[in-house]
Amino acid sequence: EAGVVQSPRYKIIEKKQPVAFWCNPISGHNTLYWYLQNLGQGPELLIRYENEEAVDDSQLPKDRFSAERLKGVDSTLKIQPAELGDSAVYLCASSPGLANTGELFFGEGSRLTVL
Amino acid sequence: AQSVTQLDSQVPVFEEAPVELRCNYSSSVSVYLFWYVQYPNQGLQLLLKYLSGSTLVKGINGFEAEFNKSQTSFHLRKPSVHISDTAEYFCALNTNAGKSTFGDGTTLTVKP
Repeated sequence: EAGVVQSPRYKIIEKKQPVAFWCNPISGHNTLYWYLQNLGQGPELLIRYENEEAVDDSQLPKDRFSAERLKGVDSTLKIQPAELGDSAVYLCASSPGLANTGELFFGEGSRLTVL
Repeated sequence: AQSVTQLDSQVPVFEEAPVELRCNYSSSVSVYLFWYVQYPNQGLQLLLKYLSGSTLVKGINGFEAEFNKSQTSFHLRKPSVHISDTAEYFCALNTNAGKSTFGDGTTLTVKP
């Protein structure tokens, strides 16, 4: 069974440029998460989807960040424009659904460097 | 609101020695507890989880953890570590509302 797939693994951009990350969750997993991981810290939730609905986006900086999961499967996280402080690892995770106990299946992450 | 505190940011230990990584949590509702491991440049992988029942849970790679409700702790242990256990370890909790909260991680360094 394929795991959570993320791309790109690494991205280096100049500040003020846009960037997008893509995530394909485990087949059949209804819940999809985007997490931000700063160096030396644990993951922090940006947004959680149940199917195509964003059920928790309270921590997503909506002035520059956006996300979509149009068909309830794969998802894209966009930053426009990027700032120096956005340099971090962006992790995508999925889980089976609402009855889930919270076990998360993570992708390998997308490491963003903003210069 | 809930929180997770990992009491040690770094734990150095010699190979074949025992190790304990400490985790305390705070929550006003019932929680599920997890330990994840993150190797360099990789995502997080589940080590073990406590959902209910026996307070001693066993996971992969010889790790185990004990849920202590009165002390609100979920410490991770291994009786004999290997070089390959060198990694970042994260304690996390989840509530019925589906919100996961992670600690800041403990870097375990196993020295030969």
